[in-house]
Amino acid sequence: GAGVSQSPSNKVTEKGKDVELRCDPISGHTALYWYRQSLGQGLEFLIYFQGNSAPDKSGLPSDRFSAERTGGSVSTLTIQRTQQEDSAVYLCASSFGPYNSPLHFGNGTRLTVT
Amino acid sequence: GQQLNQSPQSMFIQEGEDVSMNCTSSSIFNTWLWYKQDPGEGPVLLIALYKAGELTSNGRLTAQFGITRKDSFLNISASIPSDVGIYFCAGQPPRMNRDDKIIFGKGTRLHILP
Repeated sequence: GAGVSQSPSNKVTEKGKDVELRCDPISGHTALYWYRQSLGQGLEFLIYFQGNSAPDKSGLPSDRFSAERTGGSVSTLTIQRTQQEDSAVYLCASSFGPYNSPLHFGNGTRLTVT
Repeated sequence: GQQLNQSPQSMFIQEGEDVSMNCTSSSIFNTWLWYKQDPGEGPVLLIALYKAGELTSNGRLTAQFGITRKDSFLNISASIPSDVGIYFCAGQPPRMNRDDKIIFGKGTRLHILP
């Protein structure tokens, strides 16, 4: 499809395990954002990639969270030693450029930590 | 960092009523975006605004980019049941800003009474 694709759509993991969440942005989009959303709540910014610039990691809640973007395309969000409070929907969004270009969202990965 | 104040947080209306919600900020933005999120899905772009004073319609939806560049509103006319969801505003600061990433309001939750 032509939209932002995220996988898996659902992930259940045990507390203490590591998880990797994947985002395939729209082809040609240079900007990529990760957000976290708790049930019924707003969008919590996590990290922002733009082209070859250093990512803006100012939203990552702890050093257990990290993200990579390989080749300016696919991005992976990794959460190490998961905790129950990490349970949320993780949304990825991409845009064609850094300015005057709206974000297009994937449908998210629902993470449940038991 | 910059913040967007979105109001109201929730709305309970009768089908057929008109709806109005807005976002304000203490600093200026170059882009205003409005999104709608249905349960279990990512936010979907409704309207994008790129010029101060711009008034844009999309069916029953109308949005405006405030002339001061510090606010935007979204109106929905003659609401119908499928309008239920969470509406997010988003803005992007000017390119000259050190921090120019897109930021989101906390959302307006629209409920339609039976």
